[in-house]
Amino acid sequence: EDKVVQSPLSLVVHEGDTVTLNCSYEVTNFRSLLWYKQEKKAPTFLFMLTSSGIEKKSGRLSSILDKKELSSILNITATQTGDSAIYLCAVVRRSGTYKYIFGTGTRLKVLA
Amino acid sequence: GAGVSQSPSNKVTEKGKDVELRCDPISGHTALYWYRQSLGQGLEFLIYFQGNSAPDKSGLPSDRFSAERTGGSVSTLTIQRTQQEDSAVYLCASSSLDGANEQFFGPGTRLTVL
Repeated sequence: EDKVVQSPLSLVVHEGDTVTLNCSYEVTNFRSLLWYKQEKKAPTFLFMLTSSGIEKKSGRLSSILDKKELSSILNITATQTGDSAIYLCAVVRRSGTYKYIFGTGTRLKVLA
Repeated sequence: GAGVSQSPSNKVTEKGKDVELRCDPISGHTALYWYRQSLGQGLEFLIYFQGNSAPDKSGLPSDRFSAERTGGSVSTLTIQRTQQEDSAVYLCASSSLDGANEQFFGPGTRLTVL
């Protein structure tokens, strides 16, 4: 059975800290891995990763995929209170059609 | 429109009633997904429409759930004889091309079944 597991489930840090969120997967016919940030209702897209070892970066956020280890990490440096959110990892499986399999997310709280 | 829209934003209903949730995807997006998110949980896949192909209904939890997509655009998710365990946020997302790209999410419909 395909599954996506995120860790930790929740995390509380102080402003300025650096955090690393993990996503591991067991998915057949892997196509890509995506990270989303969910603050209220609608998740917003952060990164899409398809190739192993290539870091994607956007401001203080960065992410990398390791296909050998079947995992990805999302790093946030110099955290701010506005980074408080649920971070969702999704793996796209190609099997005729494309299906997105989401993890349960990591709930991050950044304290001032 | 500029983004994915959903209506209503909130729906409170009594157990046993039917509800219809609507999703307007981004114009031109051929792929449309419905997800359910219960409190503190991740996104649970429900159904996927891709162009004119038969929908992937493998995530629908019971035969009380159904969805249609008319004219390849607007989609309606119908829940018949609602139960309290149906209470959740129902999210719709659309994607361009073959559906393997970034998904754009709507604001969701919060369904509460009393």
